[in-house]
Amino acid sequence: EVQLVESGGVVVQPGGSLRLSCAASGFSFDDYTMHWVRQAPGKGLEWVSLITWDGGSKRYADSVKGRFTISRDNSKNSLHLQMNSLRPEDTALYSCAKDKYRNDKVKTFPDYWGQGTLFNVSS
Amino acid sequence: SYELTQPPSVSVSPGQAARITCSGDAFPSKFAYWYQQKSGQAPVLVIYEDTKRPSGIPERFSGSNSGTMATLTLSGAQVEDEADYYCYSIDSSGKGVFGGGTKLTVL
Repeated sequence: EVQLVESGGVVVQPGGSLRLSCAASGFSFDDYTMHWVRQAPGKGLEWVSLITWDGGSKRYADSVKGRFTISRDNSKNSLHLQMNSLRPEDTALYSCAKDKYRNDKVKTFPDYWGQGTLFNVSS
Repeated sequence: SYELTQPPSVSVSPGQAARITCSGDAFPSKFAYWYQQKSGQAPVLVIYEDTKRPSGIPERFSGSNSGTMATLTLSGAQVEDEADYYCYSIDSSGKGVFGGGTKLTVL
């Protein structure tokens, strides 16, 4: 059974930093592109970032580019999101999601999602 | 930046067809994907690559992509289909984009 468990959500001051993690199990983690998606309270889904299975390609939404860094450790089946220069508008539920296809760099889309971790950027 | 536009809400009676649209300049050359999110739950993929239905998704869910519009159709909506629905696509630089979401009410 695919399991994705996010962690790292706390309260952070504006301008601060935070690292989110996602522990994956139940599938061959090192064969799949992974995504981070966020949802502000009462708002819609916003795609944040993706990283290919080998870490060779990374993409970021314009709203986080230059502030967030996605990474993965295939030896530990874990995905990370380092977030710097945090703003109040970054407050959201952050979820990691697995891609549908193995080793595909073209047709990348979230297939299975974790329940997410919530954090608040507030002074 | 690339944008996908959805109506904020759609309302139908049980058993009626419900159609949720998603407008995007890159359609139909880019695939459309659809997610269902019920209150307090993680999103679930209901349509991928315009028309494909994942295993376990009822046959009443179908998708199309023509012109600059992708459409999710529920033929015979059920009360349990009440949820927020989001379209998704990939822009020319390989970044993901979600539509603003559509609240489907079945009553």
